[in-house]
Amino acid sequence: SYELTQPPSVSVAPGETAMISCGTNNIGSKLVHWYQQQPGQAPVLVIYHDSDRPSGIPERFSGSNAGNTATLTISRVEAGDEADYYCQVWDSRDDHVVFGGGTKLTVL
Amino acid sequence: EERLVQSGAEVKKSGESLKISCKGSGYNFANYWIGWVRQVPGRGLEWMGIIYPGDSETRYSPSFRGHVTISVDKSISTAYLQWSSLKASDTAMYFCARHQEVMDPYESWGRGTLVTVSS
Repeated sequence: SYELTQPPSVSVAPGETAMISCGTNNIGSKLVHWYQQQPGQAPVLVIYHDSDRPSGIPERFSGSNAGNTATLTISRVEAGDEADYYCQVWDSRDDHVVFGGGTKLTVL
Repeated sequence: EERLVQSGAEVKKSGESLKISCKGSGYNFANYWIGWVRQVPGRGLEWMGIIYPGDSETRYSPSFRGHVTISVDKSISTAYLQWSSLKASDTAMYFCARHQEVMDPYESWGRGTLVTVSS
């Protein structure tokens, strides 16, 4: 079955840049979406179609996707960015959505 | 304003049946897929399946097929997730979310329905 691999955790100091990866074979051929989930809340879309940003999401959030890895980049990290982040694709072969395992971003 | 409003928390016993709901408003409900996502406490997001209200086309994750049923009543803009026989392992938060095409992102989410099943 199709699996997306994310690091369980990423830690970064305030003001630095956080990069969260999402990997699988040839993920660059798929459209990748990213969600932020704060504790006790529903997920919120932060990046869609690899690198587009929904309205209301700060420009500090960006995305890229090529080869076997998609990456969510958060520049000038703030304390409020501390959350779980999930990548997601549509697996057209099996006709279903796949989520990555999630990455907990800790702001030191 | 586009919204998905989910039904309230449920406490059930193993073997009981349950149907939870997700009501859409502020948009053309028939034209957007509704998906269901499970989150066991402390764990990640798991995709369960989707339904297209326009024609009730449904697709399930292999992990959930046969254990849950996804349905819709287009006339009242409401999608449902139901179990005929709950297990303790079904204890989780269940989110509904909408997307326009299957490869599109989940742009709007409900707040979730917490289901607690005691053995």
